[in-house]
Amino acid sequence: AQSVTQLGSHVSVSEGALVLLRCNYSSSVPPYLFWYVQYPNQGLQLLLKYTTGATLVKGINGFEAEFKKSETSFHLTKPSAHMSDAAEYFCAVSGGGTASKLTFGTGTRLQVTL
Amino acid sequence: NAGVMQNPRHLVRRRGQEARLRCSPMKGHSHVYWYRQLPEEGLKFMVYLQKENIIDESGMPKERFSAEFPKEGPSILRIQQVVRGDSAAYFCASSPRQGDEQYFGPGTRLTVT
Repeated sequence: AQSVTQLGSHVSVSEGALVLLRCNYSSSVPPYLFWYVQYPNQGLQLLLKYTTGATLVKGINGFEAEFKKSETSFHLTKPSAHMSDAAEYFCAVSGGGTASKLTFGTGTRLQVTL
Repeated sequence: NAGVMQNPRHLVRRRGQEARLRCSPMKGHSHVYWYRQLPEEGLKFMVYLQKENIIDESGMPKERFSAEFPKEGPSILRIQQVVRGDSAAYFCASSPRQGDEQYFGPGTRLTVT
């Protein structure tokens, strides 16, 4: 079984500041981890994913995340926030391999201010 | 290559009516997943289908909900005798193979009045 905890339902940063969105997971098998972004009234877009291999994963729009097994974490970061980054961000886990269903966190709404 | 298509985008039903949500996966994708997003919550897995087969329905409510993915045509999520608690956004995702990255559609927002 898998679960995801996203700390902070709302995060506010200034434009140009570091973005850090936290995600901790629980999984009984080696996990596959994902970050998705959702803009208002739209579907989810994949930002990045970790399956195996390099633990630092780079995604689209300047985002990256690091898989830390010892901390069961997969935090999302971006060095410099842009106004267009304002959205809802979801961390998700699957059981990996042939397992398919995604288990999502409750989401973090990112606000970017001038 | 068109993305995952869902229709309708918005659906309003009165209590007791039936709701039918359609999902056309990306070309070449034979695996379809349905998720439900309640207001202010994350997405919850409902069901995973491959052509003509239900692979995992562990997230489906026991009553009133059903899903199919026929050999031809879109996947259908059917909700009978809708209640106000069914109001949510329903998202479909597809993938080319089991365990592959899932591509999400824009969702159907169901409102039950």
